[in-house]
Amino acid sequence: EVQLVESGGVVVQPGGSLRLSCAASGFTFDDYAMHWVRQAPGKGLEWVSLITFNGGTTYYADSVRGRFTISRDNRRNSLYLQMNSLRTEDTALYFCAKGAAAGTGGHFDYWGQGTLVTVSS
Amino acid sequence: DIVMTQSPDSLAVSLGERATINCKSSQNILYNSNKKNYLGWYQQKPGQAPKLLIYWASTRESGVPDRFSGSGSGTDFTLTISSLQAEDVAVYYCQQFYSTPLTFGGGTKVEIK
Repeated sequence: EVQLVESGGVVVQPGGSLRLSCAASGFTFDDYAMHWVRQAPGKGLEWVSLITFNGGTTYYADSVRGRFTISRDNRRNSLYLQMNSLRTEDTALYFCAKGAAAGTGGHFDYWGQGTLVTVSS
Repeated sequence: DIVMTQSPDSLAVSLGERATINCKSSQNILYNSNKKNYLGWYQQKPGQAPKLLIYWASTRESGVPDRFSGSGSGTDFTLTISSLQAEDVAVYYCQQFYSTPLTFGGGTKVEIK
């Protein structure tokens, strides 16, 4: 059974930093791209970032480029999101999602339950 | 960026009746080399994570009831629930995975009339 478990969400002040983690199990982690998707309270889904199967290529939404860094550790079956220079508009539930392909061009076939990041003074 | 526009924003349908949700992309998302439309549909129930229903515009994910179907090509797509059940109350999102940034539609809330 595929499982994705996010952690690391907390309340942080504007300008602060945070690192989210996603522990994956139930599939061959290093065969697939992984994504972060967020959802602000009461709003829709926003794709944040993608990392290819081997970590060789990363992509970001314009709203986070230069502030967030996606990474993965294939030995630990883990995905990460380093979030710097946080803004109030980054407040959201952050989901980890498994891509159906090794790189871009794949839908999201499994999602975690999310971890809540609140940016507030 | 490819903009995904869903309509309507919400709809109320009687139990057993058909629900139809539309999704339009600002650019063609049919990849000519494999003739696949890079379009997915997701269901999000209150308090839950999204769940994949349909990919390649019309391929039903394993375990998804056959009352859910997807159609369309190029820039215009439809998700149909042929006979609405109480457990289908949710927000439905379309998404293009043709190019980055990957983008979602704004969502359609489906309720029981």
